Formats: sequence, structure tokens, C-alpha cells
Amino acid sequence: DIQMTQSPSAMSASVGDRVTITCRASQGISNYLAWFQQKPGKVPKRLIYASSSLQSGVPSRFSGSGSGTEFTLTISSLQPEDFATYYCLQHNSYPQTFGQGTKVEIK
Amino acid sequence: EVQLVESGGGLVQPGGSLRLSCAASGFTFSDHYMDWVRQAPGKGLEWVGRTRNKANSYTTEYAASVKGRFTISRDDSKNSLYLQMNSLKTEDTAVYYCARDSPYGDPFDYWGQGTLVTVSS
Repeated sequence: DIQMTQSPSAMSASVGDRVTITCRASQGISNYLAWFQQKPGKVPKRLIYASSSLQSGVPSRFSGSGSGTEFTLTISSLQPEDFATYYCLQHNSYPQTFGQGTKVEIK
Repeated sequence: EVQLVESGGGLVQPGGSLRLSCAASGFTFSDHYMDWVRQAPGKGLEWVGRTRNKANSYTTEYAASVKGRFTISRDDSKNSLYLQMNSLKTEDTAVYYCARDSPYGDPFDYWGQGTLVTVSS
């Protein structure tokens, strides 16, 4: 199985900060990588697919990059509604596997 | 508007069975691969399994943790997805989500609201 490791696991940030979350795959997955946002008690929401494609309706402050084994999700200017847990997902091979999550909290 | 509505969750004893349903609307259900994803209380997301569409013979894939115990099926005439769960264990306790894959193969572009399954004696 491909292991997905996110860093950091948790972070504190302020409104307006630039935030970067990293996801590393235990083996190459090309660009078969998606990012999801989940707020407490809510359903996960897809932000990014194919490593860098922005989901329709998602604000442009979210961006994704990477290929192979290292990927990043960047929030260019953190907004109050962005405080949430973020997950990466690889779908290069079965079983599809999520990272453990990165909780972004208010500083 | 795409909608996915799960039902069938509840309390079941270890070793028991439960069948979840996911009713789809707002899109051509038969064209899409569909998945189940679960989330144990306070934990992260775990992919459970997938069913492909008719064009791909409705073949399925499963996570190792559920293979041989869970079965995914679908009824395109009813726009419905199912998850038959047998030999349930306490560690299967989770919110179960159905999720749609995009027409281009990218996973989980839409999710249902989830249904809670609690396995406890």
C-alpha cells in the first residue's frame, strides 16, 4: 500500500497568513493526488484534483502543486472560514489512501 | 443539483450485519464510479471500496480491512448504491459516506451527508 504522510499534523496560523501543507507519498503517484477540506461535523469537500486543478467554486487562494512523491497545498491568504482539517488522497493505485490530516487552527 | 443521501445506519452488535444505501440524484448515476469512505469518531478518512460503472462491468475494489466482509453493489435502475456489511467488528464503527467519482476518473467530487454505524454490544 502507498503511505501518505502529511506535515505538519497541526498548525496555528493567523488570518492573512500564507499556509503550506505538504503530503509525501511512499512511492511515485504521478499527479493522482487530491486535497480535501473538512470542517468539524461537516462533510469533506474536494478542493484540488489532479495535484493542481482547482475544483469549481473553490476560492483561488487555494492552490496545489507537485508530482511523483511530494505535493503541497497552499492557502495564499488564510481566511476565517479556512480553519479546518485538510486531507490529501492518492488514487494512483489501490487501495486509495488518505494522509492522516492537517488541522489548521487559529493562532 | 447533485445529491447523495445515505441511509441504513444504526446500532448493531459485533458479528452482525447491516446494509447501507445511497440514493443519488441530479446526475446520470449509471455513468459514474461510486465509492464508500468512512470516518471513525475523531479519526481521519478511510477509503472502503469502489464500484465501477456498467461500461466497466460493475467491478469492485475493497480496502483490505473490509475485504471478504463488505460487499458493494449498485442498482442503476434505482440510482442507488449499497454497502452490505457482514461480520461487523467494533472497529467498523464510523460515519459512512458515499462519494461520486467525476466523469474523468478523479475521485470524490461529491459526497453524501454520511450515516453513522455503531458496532457495540
